[in-house]
Amino acid sequence: GENVEQHPSTLSVQEGDSAVIKCTYSDSASNYFPWYKQELGKGPQLIIDIRSNVGEKKDQRIAVTLNKTAKHFSLHITETQPEDSAVYFCAASYAGNMLTFGGGTRLMVKP
Amino acid sequence: DVKVTQSSRYLVKRTGEKVFLECVQDMDHENMFWYRQDPGLGLRLIYFSYDVKMKEKGDIPEGYSVSREKKERFSLILESASTNQTSMYLCASTARVDYTFGSGTRLTVV
Repeated sequence: GENVEQHPSTLSVQEGDSAVIKCTYSDSASNYFPWYKQELGKGPQLIIDIRSNVGEKKDQRIAVTLNKTAKHFSLHITETQPEDSAVYFCAASYAGNMLTFGGGTRLMVKP
Repeated sequence: DVKVTQSSRYLVKRTGEKVFLECVQDMDHENMFWYRQDPGLGLRLIYFSYDVKMKEKGDIPEGYSVSREKKERFSLILESASTNQTSMYLCASTARVDYTFGSGTRLTVV
């Protein structure tokens, strides 16, 4: 089955800096890669996703990139703000099957 | 606004008790999931269901069971709670691949 690894497990940045979280997946058939943000006391919430026919997708300060050859994808957050502090999860799936999640990254943005 | 509602935010139960965690979704989704979340271990799948009365084991089903008598409701049952089941439990539902999660139930077994 699919295996998703996520790095780093914790990330601390200064407000205004960029943050990058990386994930690798094992199943080359995977074609859907969402990212979830979990704020304190809440469930994870989808913030952005990318499909395998696209190499990059942006939404304001966040972007995802996908390298199908290397089987890795990344979340980029620019101009970080304190409200970006949360746990972020990457995930992968194939053809509408169940998501496989990475282990999570705790992002701390220091004011 | 679509919702997945978990009936309790916090629960404290005694070892050996039978515990029911309830999850209700209002999106008419076929697929529902139960995860537990522990520090450093990410989201681990306990059970999932693709239809009413249907259930499948996830990665860590031992000590748990589930019930799905109605499409909107998916219950997680701890038959005899143990201290190692102290955790955050998250329910999710989806029609395809974009999951909607509940806010979680933090269960403490003493």
